[in-house]
Amino acid sequence: ILNVEQSPQSLHVQEGDSTNFTCSFPSSNFYALHWYRWETAKSPEALFVMTLNGDEKKKGRISATLNTKEGYSYLYIKGSQPEDSATYLCAPNTGNQFYFGTGTSLTVIP
Amino acid sequence: NAGVTQTPKFQVLKTGQSMTLQCAQDMNHNSMYWYRQDPGMGLRLIYYSASEGTTDKGEVPNGYNVSRLNKREFSLRLESAAPSQTSVYFCASSWATGAGYGYTFGSGTRLTVV
Repeated sequence: ILNVEQSPQSLHVQEGDSTNFTCSFPSSNFYALHWYRWETAKSPEALFVMTLNGDEKKKGRISATLNTKEGYSYLYIKGSQPEDSATYLCAPNTGNQFYFGTGTSLTVIP
Repeated sequence: NAGVTQTPKFQVLKTGQSMTLQCAQDMNHNSMYWYRQDPGMGLRLIYYSASEGTTDKGEVPNGYNVSRLNKREFSLRLESAAPSQTSVYFCASSWATGAGYGYTFGSGTRLTVV
């Protein structure tokens, strides 16, 4: 079992604000990390697949970075919009399976 | 595109009853997975199938069995349901179990065992 921590647990921001959250995991035997976006009443949707230390991925206003040596990944949202409201899950893999964090719940207030 | 389809969406069982959750994907993915989601916990892997004809235990396999019926379908069976199995169950699929492949999830089955 892998200890995956996501912080903060929840976040409320105003429309237009930029925000970021963290996924922490043990740095030994890192294999890959996934980020997912999970809207209420829907199923998780893959955002990024990250494998290399220093990886930076971008999709529209959302980007992510990965530091495998220190065991963390950041997810950034620039200029948050109400449609960004969702829970963001990270799932690192140390070679066996992906372990999901409990997520950061983001609410963007219009 | 249907993606990953799970049935049923909701189910109430009595303790000791059995049931099978069905999952089918139409993306020609090789690997399929069953997860459960409980309050305050991350998605936990129950069983997975890396390819047609293989199945392996995940983090929380006790009380469950699976069948990879063909490349498209992966079912999860509860032989004798217990209240501890009350959860939301998600099926997922991916091209392979390797690091570079994101998962596509179904819409979930909400199971209550009374």
